[in-house]
Amino acid sequence: AQRVTQPEKLLSVFKGAPVELKCNYSYSGSPELFWYVQYSRQRLQLLLRHISRESIKGFTADLNKGETSFHLKKPFAQEEDSAMYYCALRLTGGGNKLTFGTGTQLKVEL
Amino acid sequence: KAGVTQTPRYLIKTRGQQVTLSCSPISGHRSVSWYQQTPGQGLQFLFEYFSETQRNKGNFPGRFSGRQFSNSRSEMNVSTLELGDSALYLCASSLEGGRDSPLHFGNGTRLTVT
Repeated sequence: AQRVTQPEKLLSVFKGAPVELKCNYSYSGSPELFWYVQYSRQRLQLLLRHISRESIKGFTADLNKGETSFHLKKPFAQEEDSAMYYCALRLTGGGNKLTFGTGTQLKVEL
Repeated sequence: KAGVTQTPRYLIKTRGQQVTLSCSPISGHRSVSWYQQTPGQGLQFLFEYFSETQRNKGNFPGRFSGRQFSNSRSEMNVSTLELGDSALYLCASSLEGGRDSPLHFGNGTRLTVT
């Protein structure tokens, strides 16, 4: 069965420092990977999809099939980046059945 | 466009009772999915409905059921409630459920079973 692992429950960085939120997955096929974010008192929302290969709010994520990873990166953290981040996987043809990681709480300190 | 709307926001039920949660998707969205979020298990997929048919199902007991109406609104039902069913139940909608259909989540219904 597919699995998504986010090894860090909490990541604390200073403003202006680089950020890397780790995500590893286990699946033998070609999955779709996503990053979702939940800001304080807001609903869960999509941040990035690997198929889009875009940068959102300065965040990027590259799918590394060899290492089965989809780490989320930002070169300079901002205070407003403080939130809960979830990595998720969807199987090809799997509709909206997503497998989520347990999430990483990012705290950006001044 | 209005976002995904879930009602009620909070529910308190007693063990053994049943409960129905409601979800109104974004206008035009045909896929509705349900997820359970708990501190211990995180976000877990319950089921997905598309055009009134269940398209995917997670690993939950038969006490958890759902349905979708012709206007794409969906309901989720949990019968014979157990303490462990206490959780935040999230509904998400999308246009189709394929590669170009990102999920849009509601604020959730927080269910407390006593």
